[in-house]
Parts: sequence; structure tokens; C-alpha cells
Amino acid sequence: QLQLQESGPGLVKPSETLSLTCTVSGGSISSSNYYWGWIRQPPGKGLEWIGSIYYSGSTYYNPSLKSRVTISVDTSKNQFSLNLNSVTAADTAVYFCARIRLQLTASPLDYWGQGTLVTVSS
Amino acid sequence: DIQMTQSPSSLSASVGDRVTITCRASQSISSYLNWYQQRPGKAPKLLIYAASNLQSGVPSRFSGSGSGTDFTLTISSLQPEDFATYYCQQTYSSPLTFGGGTKVEIK
Repeated sequence: QLQLQESGPGLVKPSETLSLTCTVSGGSISSSNYYWGWIRQPPGKGLEWIGSIYYSGSTYYNPSLKSRVTISVDTSKNQFSLNLNSVTAADTAVYFCARIRLQLTASPLDYWGQGTLVTVSS
Repeated sequence: DIQMTQSPSSLSASVGDRVTITCRASQSISSYLNWYQQRPGKAPKLLIYAASNLQSGVPSRFSGSGSGTDFTLTISSLQPEDFATYYCQQTYSSPLTFGGGTKVEIK
């Protein structure tokens, strides 16, 4: 059974960099059938797509965050990571990692991590 | 960006009720529309992909329809475990965008 697990600091200071890692188990991140993505959800609000990465390193980012976001992949560790710099309180959210299934029409997010709350505060 | 508008934003219903949630896209997205269920404190769960395809393991009381700009998610007979928030998502073009959510509450 595929599992995704987010990890990283739960508290980040304003203007610093938020760094999270998603570890994939039960399957290979190097499959050509999937992209891997980050999505966030501010407390009490809706979902926002941050960006996605292919095992080759090809990325897509949300233009609203593109200037501050970097997503990378480490196939040897079966992990992908998110860096978001110059954070403010508006970046406080639960951050989810997810698998994007390319074989299905509309490429849905079919597996999700449990999510991790990151609070931006001094 | 393609805007996704869900209605209603919340609804109250009883166990056994038929529930319909609507999602409208700001431009045509063909059938590139997915539906997710999110229970409190949990990650979203895929219910329907490509507007009308039931994800494996999802009960058949869930169904989806629509194409172009107008889509619906229907729960034919609401069960206690269905009280949750539902989100639509378009994957027609980047950036991927979600609807604002519909919270289904117990009447």
C-alpha cells in the first residue's frame, strides 16, 4: 500500500524558509506514471495547489507562489521536497504531499499524505 | 487562472437524503474535473475523477456528471460517514485550482 509522509519543522520564523520533505513508501517515485505534488490548506480555508514534480525533475509551479517556491526530487531516497522562502503569516497552513496519477484522465490526486501544520510566527 | 465556484458553500441534510453539489468553471474544462471528500483533520480523499469515473473503493452512492463548465456531485443516500467537506478540482490547465468547498452537515 502506497504511503506518503510529510516531515519538517512545525514552526518557521517570518522571512525565513519553510522546508518540508515527503517520503514515499510502498512504491517508487521514479515511475513514469506519476507526478508528485504539494498542496496547502490554511486553517479553516480551502485547498491551494503549490506545485508538482516529475521524477526527472520537471516542475510546474503555481504562478502565485512561483517566485518563492522550489520543489526538488531525490529518487535515491524516494523523496521529494518543498522549499518556500520569505514566509509570512499568510503561509501558515497544513501542507499536504500527494501523488498525481497520469494514467487516469484528469490526472487526479489519488494518494495523499496526512498533512503537516506549519505555523509562521516569531 | 480558471476559477472554480461551488454551490452551496454548506448544506444541512439527514441520513438517507439525496444530496447534490454543483461546481462551475470560469471557462470550459472538458471533463478535467475531480471531486474529493475531506473529513475534519484528515487529508482529502479522491471520490470521482474525470467528472464521472468512480475511484476504486468508493461507494456507488457517489456519482458525478457534467462537462464543459457545469458539474455535479450526487450522493444518492447520505450516510453518517458522508458528513464532510467536498471539493472539486480542475486539471485542464495550470495552475490547478480547487473550488471553495461544500460542507455537508447533519440536520
